[in-house]
Amino acid sequence: AQSVTQPDIHITVSEGASLELRCNYSYGATPYLFWYVQSPGQGLQLLLKYFSGDTLVQGIKGFEAEFKRSQSSFNLRKPSVHWSDAAEYFCAVRFSGTYKYIFGTGTRLKVLA
Amino acid sequence: SQTIHQWPATLVQPVGSPLSLECTVEGTSNPNLYWYRQAAGRGLQLLFYSVGIGQISSEVPQNLSASRPQDRQFILSSKKLLLSDSGFYLCAWSPTSGHQETQYFGPGTRLLVL
Repeated sequence: AQSVTQPDIHITVSEGASLELRCNYSYGATPYLFWYVQSPGQGLQLLLKYFSGDTLVQGIKGFEAEFKRSQSSFNLRKPSVHWSDAAEYFCAVRFSGTYKYIFGTGTRLKVLA
Repeated sequence: SQTIHQWPATLVQPVGSPLSLECTVEGTSNPNLYWYRQAAGRGLQLLFYSVGIGQISSEVPQNLSASRPQDRQFILSSKKLLLSDSGFYLCAWSPTSGHQETQYFGPGTRLLVL
């Protein structure tokens, strides 16, 4: 079955440190990839998306992600984390020709002052 | 611009009672609509999705049902709630025009079944 794996359930970083959140998806048709962020008790906000073209995509709040087809990965990065980035992050994929979005189980980010 | 609304924001219901959660989208036509459930500390579970009025696809057999009585309205229902129905329910929509469809989420409804 098609799936998305976020291997890190929790990540803790110090404010100002760099961040990388991992995401891998199972092989399928052409993937369309997304990262969302969720603050407690809130809906999901789209951070960035990849459909085609440049494999390094920029998003809101200073985040970026790189699509690596050979590794079936779409890792999220930020050079310097702010305390307000503490939240849960979800990676998602939709394969071309389908309506369904497949989500990972999420990575909860804690930021130390 | 498009907006998505969900209500109520919070709901406390006794076991065995009925449920109706509503989701509406403004500013677009013929969207794809989705219902997800998020249990505490867990990821998103797709419950239902709809690509048009009266077209509902169920992903997980369970105590819930969905309906789409109007183009931009998606309703999640249950005749008798179970304790296990507690969770955070998220509605989402995506456009159907063009291949670069992106999913956008509503604010969610927190349901507690006692």
